[in-house]
Amino acid sequence: DIVMTQSPDSLAVSLGERASINCKSSQNVLYSSNNKNFLDWYQQKPGQPPKLLISWASTRESGVPDRFSGSGSGTDFTLTISSLQAEDVAVYYCQQYYSVPITFGQGTKLEIK
Amino acid sequence: EVQLVESGGGLVQPGGSLRLSCAASGFTFSDHNMDWVRQAPGKGLEWVGRTRNQANSYTTEYAASVKGRFTISRDGSKNSLYLQMNSLKTEDTAVYYCTRRGDWGQGTLVTVSS
Repeated sequence: DIVMTQSPDSLAVSLGERASINCKSSQNVLYSSNNKNFLDWYQQKPGQPPKLLISWASTRESGVPDRFSGSGSGTDFTLTISSLQAEDVAVYYCQQYYSVPITFGQGTKLEIK
Repeated sequence: EVQLVESGGGLVQPGGSLRLSCAASGFTFSDHNMDWVRQAPGKGLEWVGRTRNQANSYTTEYAASVKGRFTISRDGSKNSLYLQMNSLKTEDTAVYYCTRRGDWGQGTLVTVSS
């Protein structure tokens, strides 16, 4: 199974500042035949289902603010929020879609400092 | 617009059974892999299992924690996904989500308790 490890577990950032969350996979999730990383980022707010923010490691979903960006390849990935807004308070998860069993990171709780 | 609507959750005793349903709309159901993902209270996300698309013969895969107890099926005539859960344990208590990569339902709560 591919193990996904996020860091940090929790993060407090001031409004308007940058927030970065890291995700490391125990195996490569880059599919060589199409050169795509099977790595997604989700945001989950209390009482809501997860919302897909970033697919293929770096493709922002329609309607997602451009302050959210994803980077990385292979085994190391980062979700960056360039200027934190109050509505970004949530738990963030990475997920590998490369192979079954699908696995998630443990989550990173993002709060306002 | 893609919609996934789960139903069938509730309170069940340990050792009991429950069948969850997911009504899908807004896409060609047979073309897509469908997953069940669960979230225990206050915990992270755990993949439960998958039924692949028609091109992959609707084959199924399960997490080790539920293999042999849970069964995923689908009915193309009803655009519906199912999760049959048998021999339920207290640790199966969670919100169960029906997902098509990137699209999630609101979830249905399953509580296993005596």
